[in-house]
Parts: sequence; structure tokens; C-alpha cells
Amino acid sequence: DGGITQSPKYLFRKEGQNVTLSCEQNLNHDAMYWYRQDPGQGLRLIYYSQIVNDFQKGDIAEGYSVSREKKESFPLTVTSAQKNPTAFYLCASSIVGSTSYNEQFFGPGTRLTVL
Amino acid sequence: DAKTTQPPSMDCAEGRAANLPCNHSTISGNEYVYWYRQIHSQGPQYIIHGLKNNETNEMASLIITEDRKSSTLILPHATLRDTAVYYCIVRAAYGGSQGNLIFGKGTKLSVKP
Repeated sequence: DGGITQSPKYLFRKEGQNVTLSCEQNLNHDAMYWYRQDPGQGLRLIYYSQIVNDFQKGDIAEGYSVSREKKESFPLTVTSAQKNPTAFYLCASSIVGSTSYNEQFFGPGTRLTVL
Repeated sequence: DAKTTQPPSMDCAEGRAANLPCNHSTISGNEYVYWYRQIHSQGPQYIIHGLKNNETNEMASLIITEDRKSSTLILPHATLRDTAVYYCIVRAAYGGSQGNLIFGKGTKLSVKP
């Protein structure tokens, strides 16, 4: 089946530890995105990438880092510099071009809790 | 991107049509209207989008007013599985950070038996 996978679904970490969230897609999409969602709120963009080995900061990139070494993979690292890391993290992908940027396919999300 | 306004919540009886409104009075000529939904604790799901003509797909219909200042998403026969938060997003095809979808708080639709 084509789609986006995120693992794990639930993740617990101690304060001060870096943690990496996985995102893999087999849709052959060039663009990939990371969003953060807090309870009762909409989504906010952390980072996005339109092509391998290139990525751009979104609205709330501070305290996060990404890499895009392969088309299929776009891991997100939540660093100890992120002040409020507990949140629901969503990865998405899309075709590049025209309205397609805005037709995004989302993964199931990873719920990160920092203790 | 133009701002959108949606009611915070709506109820709908199972089997009836669910009509979800969205106001976007400041929409500009090159901006499209997109609808997504998010079932509890899952990732959002793209539903439909349109520019000025009405659109229909297997999931829903999108009605955009002639002045494009508002739109309505129609789920023709709502089921319990349609219970979700529905987001209306207005965005140009190009420009700015491509793909930066701005999700507001949306409308929580509750479909009741």
C-alpha cells in the first residue's frame, strides 16, 4: 500500500534528551513536511523539503532539525533546545507544483511526551 | 493567505447531509479553497479544493459563492465515521513557503445516530 508511515506512535523522553521522529513515504512525492499540533489547536509548520538534500524552515523551526538524504525519508530531531516539545507531530508529503503543494498526504502522527 | 472563519462545532444526524460553512471574505483572485478533515488522534485527510466553480468528488461537494467570499462543504449522507474536525484553508497555488498549510481550529462535526 502506498502511504506515509511514522514511528513510533507514542514516544516518551526525559527532559534534556534529543529525540528523532521517523517519517517514510512510498508515494514518490518530492515534497515532505513536518507539522506540530498542540491540544485543541491547528497545525503549525516546522520544516519542509521540496527536494533531496534541501529543506526550509517553517514557522516554528527553533529547537528542531531535519535531514533529507533520501527522497523517501524526512526524519525530525527534537532537540533539548525546544522549550515545549510535548505535542502531536505530523509528517506529510505532496507532489511538487501548482495546487499540488496544498494537497498533502499525512501520516498517522507521533505523540511525543517529555517527562 | 486569506483568513477563514468557521463555526466551532456542528451536529448532524446520521444519513442526513452535513453542510459545513466557511467565510473567507478577503480571498484574492488566485487563492483556492481547500478542505481537510482530521479524525481524532489521526493525521488530517485532504477532501477537496476549488477555485470558483463548484466541485464534487467521491467524498464531498464544494459550493463556492459567486463572489467567492464564502463556501460550503457538503457531505451528502453523513455517517458516524464522518465525525471529525473539518478545516477550511484558503491558499494560493504558488507563493510564500509552498505547502505551508495554515490550519485554524476548524469545525468539529459530530454525526449522531
